Amino acid sequence: DTGVSQDPRHKITKRGQNVTFRCDPISEHNRLYWYRQTLGQGPEFLTYFQNEAQLEKSRLLSDRFSAERPKGSFSTLEIQRTEQGDSAMYLCASSLGTSGLLKQFFGPGTRLTVL
Amino acid sequence: TQLLEQSPQFLSIQEGENLTVYCNSSSVFSSLQWYRQEPGEGPVLLVTVVTGGEVKKLKRLTFQFGDARKDSSLHITAAQPGDTGLYLCAGAEAGNNRKLIWGLGTSLAVNP
Repeated sequence: DTGVSQDPRHKITKRGQNVTFRCDPISEHNRLYWYRQTLGQGPEFLTYFQNEAQLEKSRLLSDRFSAERPKGSFSTLEIQRTEQGDSAMYLCASSLGTSGLLKQFFGPGTRLTVL
Repeated sequence: TQLLEQSPQFLSIQEGENLTVYCNSSSVFSSLQWYRQEPGEGPVLLVTVVTGGEVKKLKRLTFQFGDARKDSSLHITAAQPGDTGLYLCAGAEAGNNRKLIWGLGTSLAVNP
């Protein structure tokens, strides 16, 4: 399978715990995006990497959220001291950045439930 | 700030009916994409339109990009239960191809 993969697919945690999600993009894609999505809504942009550099972060991303892409390949998204409002689907997407079109390929998502 | 408005937000129709979903903005986009998402999965790209007035067809789906590149529509002919899902439009603003602006989606249910 050469698509975007995410792990885990589902995570249930108690309020106050830390969680970490992983995303493996399509291998030749240099851009990687994290989104948050609640039921029936469109994706909300969280952050964006070009290679290993984090170029943009949404104001939605509080200090409890951090993302890394240390070698420009896979990425991790960590949420510290989780709150019930963090319950959502966390989507990762990758794209090949050129001067042309922007096509994003999404992983299946990690569904987080905070009890 | 929501720059892309989709309508309707919800749509429930019978198999065989036709429908149109709209995506509108006051901003100009260099390209606009339509995605379809099934429950528990990530969005899947259906089509990208780049030229004002462009029309693309994908089987029973017809996509149109407005002449001014500020709006788009998705028309489905003879809808089938397999068309059920969340339809999302996303645009790349002119001069910024780093990030997509997303609509809130249209949730379509096609009943047999």
